[in-house]
Amino acid sequence: NAGVTQTPKFRILKIGQSMTLQCAQDMNHNYMYWYRQDPGMGLKLIYYSVGAGITDKGEVPNGYNVSRSTTEDFPLRLELAAPSQTSVYFCASSNRGSNTIYFGEGSWLTVV
Amino acid sequence: DQQVKQNSPSLSVQEGRISILNCDYTNSMFDYFLWYKKYPAEGPTFLISISSIKDKNEDGRFTVFLNKSAKHLSLHIVPSQPGDSAVYFCAAHKGGSEKLVFGKGTKLTVNP
Repeated sequence: NAGVTQTPKFRILKIGQSMTLQCAQDMNHNYMYWYRQDPGMGLKLIYYSVGAGITDKGEVPNGYNVSRSTTEDFPLRLELAAPSQTSVYFCASSNRGSNTIYFGEGSWLTVV
Repeated sequence: DQQVKQNSPSLSVQEGRISILNCDYTNSMFDYFLWYKKYPAEGPTFLISISSIKDKNEDGRFTVFLNKSAKHLSLHIVPSQPGDSAVYFCAAHKGGSEKLVFGKGTKLTVNP
């Protein structure tokens, strides 16, 4: 039961570097999301997608980009890493008409 | 502006007793509420939910109560078990929206 799979699990980046967090789901869900969680805080929505080719900004999109070329994949791109992007990133997915979102295990990112 | 508030960062209870986790919301447009459970180094997992047309939903040891007039919901766990020790997030969304709004979480510790 793969569900939502995120890679890498851990990553250390230097300021100004770029990287892509990968996310794949095998549940044929229409909707996919990227959240970040800072220490002691709730999850904040970065970007979401309601289907292949359609993406939209969430609450905290600055510094990130996404694409959704297939139903299964929803990568998150950090172009110029900043210390403020040190966080835990969660990818998630859900089905149209369902209120329940399923999360991946998270990606721990440190920018130094 | 926090639309979903969990004012207790932590809660400690004895095994076998009741755990009550509270959540308040400010947006009267929210019509569906969810509780997620999160263990360290894992993604949040869905626990239980409630629609705004109900005031109670029960699933085994877990019951969620919704008081719309007070914009308040609570999660009751009876009896509490050590394996329930985790961070619990309250989340809400508006009908027609794909976006969940999360509280900051409450860390529950169940002592043997």
